[in-house]
Amino acid sequence: EAGVTQFPSHSVIEKGQTVTLRCDPISGHDNLYWYRRVMGKEIKFLLHFVKESKQDESGMPNNRFLAERTGGTYSTLKVQPAELEDSGVYFCASSQGSRRGSGGYTFGSGTRLTVV
Amino acid sequence: AQSVTQLGSHVSVSEGALVLLRCNYSSSVPPYLFWYVQYPNQGLQLLLKYTTGATLVKGINGFEAEFKKSETSFHLTKPSAHMSDAAEYFCAVSDWNDYKLSFGAGTTVTVRA
Repeated sequence: EAGVTQFPSHSVIEKGQTVTLRCDPISGHDNLYWYRRVMGKEIKFLLHFVKESKQDESGMPNNRFLAERTGGTYSTLKVQPAELEDSGVYFCASSQGSRRGSGGYTFGSGTRLTVV
Repeated sequence: AQSVTQLGSHVSVSEGALVLLRCNYSSSVPPYLFWYVQYPNQGLQLLLKYTTGATLVKGINGFEAEFKKSETSFHLTKPSAHMSDAAEYFCAVSDWNDYKLSFGAGTTVTVRA
């Protein structure tokens, strides 16, 4: 089966611009997650979708970040306007199970975002 | 929220030597525990996980980890390092009733010929 696909793999934008990251989960996976790793820090949870609904967005840093999941399929994460501190690697993951905590995520390769 | 500590941001081992990566978590209730690996230019790949049952967990590529509740630890080992083990390794935990993963800072492993 195809894995979790993210694109672009790299993006370099200027401060103040807008960037949209996309994630295509594994087909049939209801759960979709976004994580972020800022340089030198831990990978941090951003939010969790169940189908098209936001289940938990407690990790979203501020209102410059907007995540959507169209029809419960692919998801986009928009940063507008981008700031220098938004630079990092953005990971998407998906899972099928409804059992909490059991993991079983499949991660994508990530999008490396550089804001200059 | 869970806290995960990985001791050592960089580990260098000789090919054929033991690989030991340390992970401690903070929780009064045993969580679910994971080790992920990220090879260069790739995504995070699950090495192994502990949910319930046997405390010694075997994963892919010859890795294993042991859950020690009394020490709140979940250290990762491999008896004999191979050049292909060069990567960054992440310990992660989740509560039994939560989807979110909390990650450690990661340990980069280099393997010397």
